[in-house]
Amino acid sequence: TQLLEQSPQFLSIQEGENLTVYCNSSSVFSSLQWYRQEPGEGPVLLVTVVTGGEVKKLKRLTFQFGDARKDSSLHITAAQTGDTGLYLCAGGPGSARQLTFGSGTQLTVLP
Amino acid sequence: GAVVSQHPSWVICKSGTSVKIECRSLDFQATTMFWYRQFPKQSLMLMATSNEGSKATYEQGVEKDKFLINHASLTLSTLTVTSAHPEDSSFYICSAAGTDYEQYFGPGTRLTVT
Repeated sequence: TQLLEQSPQFLSIQEGENLTVYCNSSSVFSSLQWYRQEPGEGPVLLVTVVTGGEVKKLKRLTFQFGDARKDSSLHITAAQTGDTGLYLCAGGPGSARQLTFGSGTQLTVLP
Repeated sequence: GAVVSQHPSWVICKSGTSVKIECRSLDFQATTMFWYRQFPKQSLMLMATSNEGSKATYEQGVEKDKFLINHASLTLSTLTVTSAHPEDSSFYICSAAGTDYEQYFGPGTRLTVT
């Protein structure tokens, strides 16, 4: 069974601060996705990384896939209150069939 | 593109009754859809994988006779919670497989069983 552990589980920061969320596994994944979910809504795909060592940037968000494709990180620069939500990483075996979801990181950005 | 809808967005039912939740891929065909359950502030728990034209594959511990899944077309999968009990109250989310790697999620259905 492939497991993905996210840390921290909860994070509360002030607006303008930087933060990093980690997603770690002992298994190798062919791809890794990051999603953000707001209360009462479904997760929204932020990014997909597929190459070991890959770095993708989405405005203030930087995503990195580990060289061994076992871990990933999400870094947010100058957090805004609109970044508040549940961040989920999900690893895939190489197709869209059966993603393994991480435990989630609940981020709260305070004004 | 890649829009997935769910209906209803919330439902309240009495204990012992059944409730059906629909999941539709609006602008693409999805041979595979997934059903998840989520408890407050927790991650998604995969319940079953729904394949068009064939029986669903259920995860360990999920009762297939209680959570009936039908995927009769390339754009529609349904989850029926039969003989619902209060412990079935939860947030149910479906997703549809996109290209090689992604899943696209519906907005979820809040089920409350009284």
